[in-house]
Amino acid sequence: AQSVAQPEDQVNVAEGNPLTVKCTYSVSGNPYLFWYVQYPNRGLQFLLKYITGDNLVKGSYGFEAEFNKSQTSFHLKKPSALVSDSALYFCAVRGPSNSNSGYALNFGKGTSLLVTP
Amino acid sequence: SQTIHQWPATLVQPVGSPLSLECTVEGTSNPNLYWYRQAAGRGLQLLFYSVGIGQISSEVPQNLSASRPQDRQFILSSKKLLLSDSGFYLCAWSDRANTEAFFGQGTRLTVV
Repeated sequence: AQSVAQPEDQVNVAEGNPLTVKCTYSVSGNPYLFWYVQYPNRGLQFLLKYITGDNLVKGSYGFEAEFNKSQTSFHLKKPSALVSDSALYFCAVRGPSNSNSGYALNFGKGTSLLVTP
Repeated sequence: SQTIHQWPATLVQPVGSPLSLECTVEGTSNPNLYWYRQAAGRGLQLLFYSVGIGQISSEVPQNLSASRPQDRQFILSSKKLLLSDSGFYLCAWSDRANTEAFFGQGTRLTVV
């Protein structure tokens, strides 16, 4: 089964410092990986995805993620954190290609990011 | 551009009452549609998905049902709500290229 794991419940970082939110994946075949952000009582917003190509993927709001096949990781990064980046972050993997799940995304449990001034 | 609408935003319902949450997508055709539930502000659980009109698949046994009466309309229902049905319900769609999914703003359901 396709799955992702987010080992950290919460990440704290000071404004202006780099941030990393970790994600590891377990898939059969080529992984389709995604990052989403959720603000309180709102839907999920798409940040970026890895399908194929360059291992470093750039996305919205200055975020990027690095696909590492040998470590089966897809960590989310940002060079300089903002207070407004404080939110819940979800890593996701697309369901298997045999359409049994309609290509639904399987999500990690989420990591709460707190950026302090 | 494509948009997804989900309503209502919040709902408080007594135990045993019926439920109907609606989701519509604009600006695309033949989308895949999904209902997720998020409990306690954390992980998302896939409840239902649909790849076409009248085609509904359930991921987990539960007190809820889903229907897709039109191509871009997805409805989540219950005949009798349970306390455990409380949560944040999210509708999402993806296109036939099946890459990222786009989410509605969610419905906060509280069963009392």
